[in-house]
Amino acid sequence: GQQLNQSPQSMFIQEGEDVSMNCTSSSIFNTWLWYKQDPGEGPVLLIALYKAGELTSNGRLTAQFGITRKDSFLNISASIPSDVGIYFCAGQLGAGGTSYGKLTFGQGTILTVHP
Amino acid sequence: EAQVTQNPRYLITVTGKKLTVTCSQNMNHEYMSWYRQDPGLGLRQIYYSMNVEVTDKGDVPEGYKVSRKEKRNFPLILESPSPNQTSLYFCASRLYGDSPYEQYFGPGTRLTVT
Repeated sequence: GQQLNQSPQSMFIQEGEDVSMNCTSSSIFNTWLWYKQDPGEGPVLLIALYKAGELTSNGRLTAQFGITRKDSFLNISASIPSDVGIYFCAGQLGAGGTSYGKLTFGQGTILTVHP
Repeated sequence: EAQVTQNPRYLITVTGKKLTVTCSQNMNHEYMSWYRQDPGLGLRQIYYSMNVEVTDKGDVPEGYKVSRKEKRNFPLILESPSPNQTSLYFCASRLYGDSPYEQYFGPGTRLTVT
């Protein structure tokens, strides 16, 4: 099946620092999504990207849909302790076929923020 | 409140003892799916359903069954659990259609098979 490579696997940063993580795919997706998972919870959607080249912000978070449709990145500016968690990228194909609606996830980036 | 619920949240069982994890959503979503999460592997889809009585395999369906008799419920069945099915399981739902609708995840079920 499709593979998403997410990096880095983990990050240890100081409060106030900016964070960058990215995902690359061997194949094209029509939608890129970024999720955050807190301990003991399910993933929660942070940002959704629907068009190649799209740059979208949600507060301190900014994400971009790569022009080739095979990659995406997420930036977090001025990190705070509550940013701690696991961040997942996910790619989704469009309508039609057996892949419709299925999310292919990256391996996750574990973020630790030191006060 | 719009939500996906799963039960139980935690389960410890023994090899071979059949179990069912329930999933229910109150958003009238057509599409539902099950994922398992393992360290270093992210989330992988087990089964999905596009509507009542329509189910299909995801990437890792071996050892699992599902049913979709009602729109709101999508139980995951392990007929004969084995230790390699020890994992964190998530149910998710979304609307069905051409637009890339957001998927909503349940809180997870942590299963241990000894």
